[in-house]
Amino acid sequence: GAGVSQTPSNKVTEKGKYVELRCDPISGHTALYWYRQSLGQGPEFLIYFQGTGAADDSGLPNDRFFAVRPEGSVSTLKIQRTERGDSAVYLCASSAQREGTEAFFGQGTRLTVV
Amino acid sequence: GESVGLHLPTLSVQEGDNSIINCAYSNSASDYFIWYKQESGKGPQFIIDIRSNMDKRQGQRVTVLLNKTVKHLSLQIAATQPGDSAVYFCAEKGGYNKLIFGAGTRLAVHP
Repeated sequence: GAGVSQTPSNKVTEKGKYVELRCDPISGHTALYWYRQSLGQGPEFLIYFQGTGAADDSGLPNDRFFAVRPEGSVSTLKIQRTERGDSAVYLCASSAQREGTEAFFGQGTRLTVV
Repeated sequence: GESVGLHLPTLSVQEGDNSIINCAYSNSASDYFIWYKQESGKGPQFIIDIRSNMDKRQGQRVTVLLNKTVKHLSLQIAATQPGDSAVYFCAEKGGYNKLIFGAGTRLAVHP
């Protein structure tokens, strides 16, 4: 597709369950970022991939959160033992990672933990 | 669906007026800034950027001003249109080009 695609658009899960959120970046973009956006706030950085490796995971809130990008394209954000406080919009962005290039965002996955 | 900017400060303007949205940043070492527009249910969309060696940059109907002395950014939108209604975020580029977003401002354009 032409843009960053995230699936599902919405996910409702019960407290304690495991969820996976998927991001399809723009073809050829080597850099991929995950952000989390709570209601009324700006997006907050979670993790950055350059190719297949996580170059910066300093934004992951705790060890329940994990992300992979095994082939350097699609990425999956995994959340174990979900808590109500994990409810937010999870945004993915990709960029060509050349100087001055912008990051393009997907529409996000709205996660609701009940 | 729910609005992204439910609890954000709101700037209300009349259609056709100019809008000015302000943003303060904290890191004096930041050298690249970006303004994003976010409509409800969508991801942030790039509007305009500016490097720290500039104090002004103009795009189509938008101008960004950077005051490094007081660590302040502003986004000016000329002849505001209903389609400009959205939440606007400023962002700094951090390590690995990750974005550090400000709190955001909701722009409401009235006919």
